[in-house]
Amino acid sequence: GAVVSQHPSWVICKSGTSVKIECRSLDFQATTMFWYRQFPKQSLMLMATSNEGSKATYEQGVEKDKFLINHASLTLSTLTVTSAHPEDSSFYICSASRGSSYNSPLHFGNGTRLTVT
Amino acid sequence: DAKTTQPPSMDCAEGRAANLPCNHSTISGNEYVYWYRQIHSQGPQYIIHGLKNNETNEMASLIITEDRKSSTLILPHATLRDTAVYYCIVRVTGSQGNLIFGKGTKLSVKP
Repeated sequence: GAVVSQHPSWVICKSGTSVKIECRSLDFQATTMFWYRQFPKQSLMLMATSNEGSKATYEQGVEKDKFLINHASLTLSTLTVTSAHPEDSSFYICSASRGSSYNSPLHFGNGTRLTVT
Repeated sequence: DAKTTQPPSMDCAEGRAANLPCNHSTISGNEYVYWYRQIHSQGPQYIIHGLKNNETNEMASLIITEDRKSSTLILPHATLRDTAVYYCIVRVTGSQGNLIFGKGTKLSVKP
């Protein structure tokens, strides 16, 4: 069964509003979670690395003030898209690993489809 | 950038084995090869991973060449539900453990 849960699975919002997406590790603690974005017909692109208890690390070109990440507990990371615009419409996916070694697979949530009108 | 090269698409007949190739000629000695698949509008699903030895689980087998420069994912008896984009990923050490996705292979299983 799923080990990483995302909510909501889809959301429609108006331009200028903010949207929060939750990512939970269901039966393990995750000190690190990763947020990806996927545009239609493209591959997943890493947006940021979420670290429990500290600031997130953003990839080049990703605005940290627009995509707010909060990793307040070992099982929950949230991504808030602030002042959303139509170009932010995308598929957002989080992932986490049970272990910290490179031998521990990353497990992905089922994604959140964001549509900004 | 992704360190892997995969064919953009492949077809497979239902019930036959699907063999998906991947080249990773610049892989380092301690970097794992991971395989995921993504069915339309879902998050990627973990399939299998390996370092040097061949691996098998309930979903698939992973064959890694001795020089580690390429690998093959084998789905022994493909079904229509195996139609997906398959990603071969070299998990780069020195990062925080994130995965860098390439374009993958679109596998179409046909009846």
